[in-house]
Amino acid sequence: ELKVEQNPLFLSMQEGKNYTIYCNYSTTSDRLYWYRQDPGKSLESLFVLLSNGAVKQEGRLMASLDTKARLSTLHITAAVHDLSATYFCAVDLGVNNAGNMLTFGGGTRLMVKP
Amino acid sequence: NAGVTQTPKFQVLKTGQSMTLQCAQDMNHEYMSWYRQDPGMGLRLIHYSVGAGITDQGEVPNGYNVSRSTTEDFPLRLLSAAPSQTSVYFCASSRGTEQYFGPGTRLTVL
Repeated sequence: ELKVEQNPLFLSMQEGKNYTIYCNYSTTSDRLYWYRQDPGKSLESLFVLLSNGAVKQEGRLMASLDTKARLSTLHITAAVHDLSATYFCAVDLGVNNAGNMLTFGGGTRLMVKP
Repeated sequence: NAGVTQTPKFQVLKTGQSMTLQCAQDMNHEYMSWYRQDPGMGLRLIHYSVGAGITDQGEVPNGYNVSRSTTEDFPLRLLSAAPSQTSVYFCASSRGTEQYFGPGTRLTVL
C-alpha cells in the first residue's frame, strides 16, 4: 500500500523567510504532483515532476524530485502573505499512462505572517 | 471550455437517503475519477474510469457506485447515505499528466 507523508503538517513563517516542505512516499513512482488549495476551494496544480532529478520553479516556489530517495521537496523563497494556503503532494501510480491514480499526502498548512 | 463541472455545490442528506453527484467535462478526456476530502486531510480516490463503459475501484469505494455511459459524464451514486460519507467530493479528469479538478460538492449526511 502506497503511503505518502508530508511534513510539517503546519507551518507558520514570517514574510521574507525561506522554508522547505517535504514529501516522502513508500512505493516507486516517477510522477509526483504538487497542488495548492485555498480554504473552501478546489485544487490548483502547481508542478508535475516526471523523472528523477526533476526541478521546476514558478515564482517563489521550487519543487524537486529524488525518486531513489522517494522524496520530493517544495521550497519557498522569501515568503509572502499570498502564499498562505494548504499544499499537497500526490504520487501517481498511473493507469497505463491513460490517466492518474493519485495518492495524496496529508497536506501542509502554510501561514505567512506579515 | 467549461472544464470540469460538478453539481450540486452543496447537499444535505438524511441517513439512508440516496443521491447522485454529477460530474461532466468538455475536454474529451478518457480518464475521470472521484475523490473525497475529509477535514484536514488529503484527497482519497473512490472510483475511476479509463473510458466509457469501464470503471474500477479506488482506495475507498464502499458505499459508492459509478457508471460511465459517455465520455463526458461520470456520476457518483450514494446508495444509502451514512454520516461517515460527510465530506467534500471532487471529480477530476485527465489525459497523461494533465489533471483537472472540479470545484467540489460539499455533502453533509445527518
